[in-house]
Amino acid sequence: GESVGLHLPTLSVQEGDNSIINCAYSNSASDYFIWYKQESGKGPQFIIDIRSNMDKRQGQRVTVLLNKTVKHLSLQIAATQPGDSAVYFCAENGTGRRALTFGSGTRLQVQP
Amino acid sequence: NAGVTQTPKFQVLKTGQSMTLQCAQDMNHEYMSWYRQDPGMGLRLIHYSVGAGITDQGEVPNGYNVSRSTTEDFPLRLLSAAPSQTSVYFCASSSRSGGIEKLFFGSGTQLSVL
Repeated sequence: GESVGLHLPTLSVQEGDNSIINCAYSNSASDYFIWYKQESGKGPQFIIDIRSNMDKRQGQRVTVLLNKTVKHLSLQIAATQPGDSAVYFCAENGTGRRALTFGSGTRLQVQP
Repeated sequence: NAGVTQTPKFQVLKTGQSMTLQCAQDMNHEYMSWYRQDPGMGLRLIHYSVGAGITDQGEVPNGYNVSRSTTEDFPLRLLSAAPSQTSVYFCASSSRSGGIEKLFFGSGTQLSVL
């Protein structure tokens, strides 16, 4: 069945290091992928997105990589800062669908 | 701009009680949706609306009703609350031009049903 899942529930990194958060998806018809960040007590916030015709997209300190062959998505955060501590969700959508499917989330903890 | 506003932030209900979770957005977004978030799980879609007067069911619609009489408001109604509805509820909106995927979320309503 259709699912979006994450490899690691919690990721702990040192401040200044790079972080990599992974996500696997199973729906071959997915053509749009998004990463959201959720800080404690707040709603999720859009970070970056990528379409299936791309394999890499860069933002400010963040990069999303898409490997359609193995149905894998990753979010890379450069020079991780304490403010990056949050739960990160991947989500996907497919052509004609009207709703996102979210993964279960990875908690990123940044150690000073 | 306030963005997406949800009220109340916290609510405790007894089993069988009814209530309405309010959601309002001031961005003139066509698309609005309700998600619930349970521990260890991602967000699951309850209901959504692509415009005033149009609503549709999501992944977990049972026990919830919605209506969309205006572009701005999208209330979620629990007709007879059950302990299984204890969760954090998020309302989200997006514009058609921006794509439904770029959702703007409210700050959530934490609901406990005893």
